[in-house]
Amino acid sequence: GDSVTQMEGPVTLSEEAFLTINCTYTATGYPSLFWYVQYPGEGLQLLLKATKADDKGSNKGFEATYRKETTSFHLEKGSVQVSDSAVYFCALRNSNSGYALNFGKGTSLLVTP
Amino acid sequence: GAVVSQHPSWVICKSGTSVKIECRSLDFQATTMFWYRQFPKQSLMLMATSNEGSKATYEQGVEKDKFLINHASLTLSTLTVTSAHPEDSSFYICSAWGAQGDNEQFFGPGTRLTVL
Repeated sequence: GDSVTQMEGPVTLSEEAFLTINCTYTATGYPSLFWYVQYPGEGLQLLLKATKADDKGSNKGFEATYRKETTSFHLEKGSVQVSDSAVYFCALRNSNSGYALNFGKGTSLLVTP
Repeated sequence: GAVVSQHPSWVICKSGTSVKIECRSLDFQATTMFWYRQFPKQSLMLMATSNEGSKATYEQGVEKDKFLINHASLTLSTLTVTSAHPEDSSFYICSAWGAQGDNEQFFGPGTRLTVL
């Protein structure tokens, strides 16, 4: 079945450092890929998405490119801020599973001043 | 953006009792709601999908008689954990989807259930 694998956390970075959170997936067909962010005490929020190969999703300085050849959707940001501290979830949605999402385990990010 | 609420945000109950968790879409009509369960440091696992006015579809391994889901209106779904046991202790998260935009799911903040 479909699955999503994320790098283990927690990740601790200093403010303005470069961020990469790796995400790879296994799926049949052509899934859509997502990154969600969960700030402390809040629900998951959609950060960005890509629906087909080579699409780049971007939002709030974060980017991820849908790489079908490497089945990856790595999240990057050039300069993180303290306010980016949160848990990040990579997810996929396959048309044969309706609108349900298949999540990775999540990666906790802590950005220190 | 669309808002989904959950109530309660946390609950502690005794083993053998039942607990009801509510999920509400506050500013849109949710034709479909999903219930997820999350263990510490684990992924969100889909438990069931519910469409307004019809029976929920449960994922393999999820006991439908244990986790009762009702989606009686376009803004409310409830999850009842019946005869709860300590192994049911977990973080339960709902999400809602409506035909209001880009096929995006909106998530509630979650409910922490602890069964003693």
